This record gives sequence, structure tokens and C-alpha cells, in this order.
Amino acid sequence: KAGVTQTPRYLIKTRGQQVTLSCSPISGHRSVSWYQQTPGQGLQFLFEYFSETQRNKGNFPGRFSGRQFSNSRSEMNVSTLELGDSALYLCASSLESGANQPQHFGDGTRLSIL
Amino acid sequence: AQTVTQSQPEMSVQEAETVTLSCTYDTSESDYYLFWYKQPPSRQMILVIRQEAYKQQNATENRFSVNFQKAAKSFSLKISDSQLGDAAMYFCAYVNNFNKFYFGSGTKLNVKP
Repeated sequence: KAGVTQTPRYLIKTRGQQVTLSCSPISGHRSVSWYQQTPGQGLQFLFEYFSETQRNKGNFPGRFSGRQFSNSRSEMNVSTLELGDSALYLCASSLESGANQPQHFGDGTRLSIL
Repeated sequence: AQTVTQSQPEMSVQEAETVTLSCTYDTSESDYYLFWYKQPPSRQMILVIRQEAYKQQNATENRFSVNFQKAAKSFSLKISDSQLGDAAMYFCAYVNNFNKFYFGSGTKLNVKP
């Protein structure tokens, strides 16, 4: 069974641009969550999608948005990029939505803002 | 708001020895889940062990076990018979019933041969 796949692995953008990151969950998993990992702030929850609906949202500005498609694949979009958005963005999937569901993480997308 | 604290930024252990990583959390909720994840240099987060708050029995997974003290809001991870492959960043995580994850800042574990 293939794991969680995130594309691209690395991305370089400049301030003011926008970016879209993609996440394909494990086959059969319906919940996808996104996290931002930085040396200063650590791992922070961005949002969770389940059945094409946003279930939860962390404390991030509206520049961070996402969506989920009918095949459970998810995309995350960041608009008007800032230097502080440089981070490793991790996606995780689980069978269902719920605190008791183990999350399976992808390898992440390393986003660098110049 | 929930906070998760890992007070040990870095720890070292000799191969085959036992090490304990600390984690405390702050919450007013009574029902939640706690996890330990490891992140090796390959950067993929891997679930190590999980604990349901309503269960008094400490979770164990092979060489990994936890000491869950609900009243003290403490959730430490014990790794027995440490192996070189255990070297990684370890993150403690709190998950509430709304499925929002809160992570600690991580503990880097070095394993010495």
C-alpha cells in the first residue's frame, strides 16, 4: 500500500507569490490534515479536511487555505507569501476523522521563500 | 488553550540502555489522546505509541512504553534496549476530541554505539 505522497518535495518562491502544495493520502483514508513545521514555532496544526469539508482549523491567517477533492486528495494554498512562511509542510492522512485515529505522515514539502 | 511541553531539547543514550523522554501538557478537557511521534532525518513523522486518556493502563509497543499520569498531566516515553535506529526527533502530541493536534517542541535523541 502506497504511503502518503506529497508533491513537490522542494519549492522555492519569492515574497508576494502564491503556492499550491499537493497531498495524496493512503488509499481508503478520508481525512487529511496539514501541519507547518519551523525551527522557531515547531509543529503547528493548519487544518483538517474530511469528506471534502474543512473540519478543523488552526490559528493561521486567511492566506492559508486548502481543499479536498472527492478522491480525498488535498491541496493547500498559501497566497501573498512572506519570508516567515518558509517551512516544512507536512500532510497526514487517517481512515476517519477523530482523535483516536492514528495519522500517517508524508515526507513533507520544503518551502523556501526568498 | 492546550500546551504541550517537552523540557529536554536533546538527550543521549548508550546503545542497549534505557532512556526516558518527558512530556507535560496543560488542558481543562477530560477526554483526549496522547501520542509520541518520531521524526528521523528522513523527516517523515512516524507514530510510536498512543494513549487514550480514559485508560489508566499505560500503553506499550515492544520496546516503547509510556508512563501516563493523568492527574499530573504527564506523559513520558521510555525506550528500552535503545538501538541506533531510534535516533530521531521525538514529538509528544495532544489531541482533543475536535481532532486538533498540539505538538511539543521535540526532543532530539542521540544513540551512541
